[in-house]
Amino acid sequence: SQTIHQWPATLVQPVGSPLSLECTVEGTSNPNLYWYRQAAGRGLQLLFYSVGIGQISSEVPQNLSASRPQDRQFILSSKKLLLSDSGFYLCAWSIAGELFFGEGSRLTVL
Amino acid sequence: GENVEQHPSTLSVQEGDSAVIKCTYSDSASNYFPWYKQELGKGPQLIIDIRSNVGEKKDQRIAVTLNKTAKHFSLHITETQPEDSAVYFCAASTYYGNNRLAFGKGNQVVVIP
Repeated sequence: SQTIHQWPATLVQPVGSPLSLECTVEGTSNPNLYWYRQAAGRGLQLLFYSVGIGQISSEVPQNLSASRPQDRQFILSSKKLLLSDSGFYLCAWSIAGELFFGEGSRLTVL
Repeated sequence: GENVEQHPSTLSVQEGDSAVIKCTYSDSASNYFPWYKQELGKGPQLIIDIRSNVGEKKDQRIAVTLNKTAKHFSLHITETQPEDSAVYFCAASTYYGNNRLAFGKGNQVVVIP
């Protein structure tokens, strides 16, 4: 069966520091991969999605970037974090329309 | 693009009663409608979904109904239990291809023991 791993689970970073969140999927090949953010409140905001290695689409302009160096690996990065980057980041994967989320990474920028 | 609206934003029910959450969507081409449950501090989990070729789907205490003419779909939870307390998200998309899901803003369900 397929599983998705996301880390770190919790992160506290100072403003201006870099960020790297990593996500890997097991048990499937060539999935679509996604990064979502969930800020205060409940809404799910799509940040990036990828349909293949090296193929990244950005949904919202911001100081974050994403990369997909391998088929089942998706990385969310920032060179310099802002206070407004705080939130709950969720990696997700899909095949044939059904979407499955990871457990999330809680980022607090101080 | 697709726009999904979810009502009510918060719902409190007595344990054992039923809970109903309604969503509307705007794109008549949408044909896939999943529901997610998110517990505190965790990622959303897919709990049930329905495709446009059926009007209702049931899985134990949860069911989803779809009205394509009116462009709305609902989640029904019967015999609610405290562990049903969570945030529930509805979503819509076209099932095939790389189209992304459009999510509602979520509904906080509180089951009162």
